[in-house]
Amino acid sequence: SYEVTQPPSVSVSPGQTATITCSGDKLGDKYVSWHQHKSGQRPVAVMYQDAKRPSGISERFSGSNSGNTATLTISGTRAMDEADYYCQAWDRSTVVFGGGTKLTVL
Amino acid sequence: VQLVESGGGLVQPGGSLRLSCVASGFTLGSHWMHWVRLVPGKGLAWVARIKTDGTTSLYADSVKGRFTISRDNANNTLFLRMNSLRVDDSALYFCAREHVVENWIDSWGQGTLVTVSS
Repeated sequence: SYEVTQPPSVSVSPGQTATITCSGDKLGDKYVSWHQHKSGQRPVAVMYQDAKRPSGISERFSGSNSGNTATLTISGTRAMDEADYYCQAWDRSTVVFGGGTKLTVL
Repeated sequence: VQLVESGGGLVQPGGSLRLSCVASGFTLGSHWMHWVRLVPGKGLAWVARIKTDGTTSLYADSVKGRFTISRDNANNTLFLRMNSLRVDDSALYFCAREHVVENWIDSWGQGTLVTVSS
């Protein structure tokens, strides 16, 4: 079965740019979404089809996907961005999630 | 858009549960739907997906043959029947909606907690 891999954690200082990666075989041939999850809350989609932002998501969030790696970039990171981020890809008609990356804003 | 899960609880290994997800603010029958689970320390894991009219269902290998996803569009409710539960099925279970046109998960519920323990 298809697998995607994320780093377990990323740390960033407030105001700096956070980069979270997601790797998988020929991942660039698949559409990738990113979901943000804060403990005790419902997850929220922050990116879909690699680089599209859902309505209501800050322009500070951007995405890309090429080769074997998809990337979620958060510019001007704020304390409110601290959360777990999950990449999600489609494997034929089923869904695959990465293991999640804990973003810490120090 | 609102998705509200219920039906979680404590169950012994080998037991069964049925989860429900009531949808409001949109027409459930227009959307493919998913169940996804969150295991603390392990992250999100996709469980199942069902077509708008319920005629097609897909499952993760870990639950295939034990779990059944279904829906009642007339009553705006999604279900997950879980049989032969194992300790490693313990998780927070979310229902999630797929965008009506483009294939992406665009809305999530708050989740219902399932604990499998003796």
